Amino acid sequence: SQTIHQWPATLVQPVGSPLSLECTVEGTSNPNLYWYRQAAGRGLQLLFYSVGIGQISSEVPQNLSASRPQDRQFILSSKKLLLSDSGFYLCAWSIRDRGYEQYFGPGTRLTVT
Amino acid sequence: GIQVEQSPPDLILQEGANSTLRCNFSDSVNNLQWFHQNPWGQLINLFYIPSGTKQNGRLSATTVATERYSLLYISSSQTTDSGVYFCAVGHYGGATNKLIFGTGTLLAVQP
Repeated sequence: SQTIHQWPATLVQPVGSPLSLECTVEGTSNPNLYWYRQAAGRGLQLLFYSVGIGQISSEVPQNLSASRPQDRQFILSSKKLLLSDSGFYLCAWSIRDRGYEQYFGPGTRLTVT
Repeated sequence: GIQVEQSPPDLILQEGANSTLRCNFSDSVNNLQWFHQNPWGQLINLFYIPSGTKQNGRLSATTVATERYSLLYISSSQTTDSGVYFCAVGHYGGATNKLIFGTGTLLAVQP
């Protein structure tokens, strides 16, 4: 069965510091991978998605970037955090055999101080 | 872009009551998913339902794609059903399925 991991679970970082969040998927090959952010309130917003190694599509221009160095690894980064980067970051995966239904990781709660 | 609206925004139920949550979307979509976000933030897949009706225990969902809406039914609610329910519509593009989320329905089930 497939599982998805995210770390760290929580993070408190000062403004201007770098960021690296990691997401890994087990039990499947060549998944589509996604990064979403949930700001205070409820809505989730798609930030980046990837259909393969080194292939990144950005949905929203911002202070963040994403990379996919391995098939089942997706990384969200920033060189200098802003207060507005605070939020709950969720990684998700999908595969063609399941009709691209998306499955989410446990999330990382980021607070920028 | 596609707009997704959920109603009601908030709902308070007594344990044992039934409820219906609605999701309207503004354009044709390839897919639709319902999620429950628990108090720890985990998004739990409830239904993958681009059309038709599905049931899973006390929960069921119906999507009428031609009329651009979906309904989530919760019967005999329990306190563990509390949380936020999201509808998300899928839009295929480039061999992927980008989800657009509604703003959710916050459900509180009281004992």
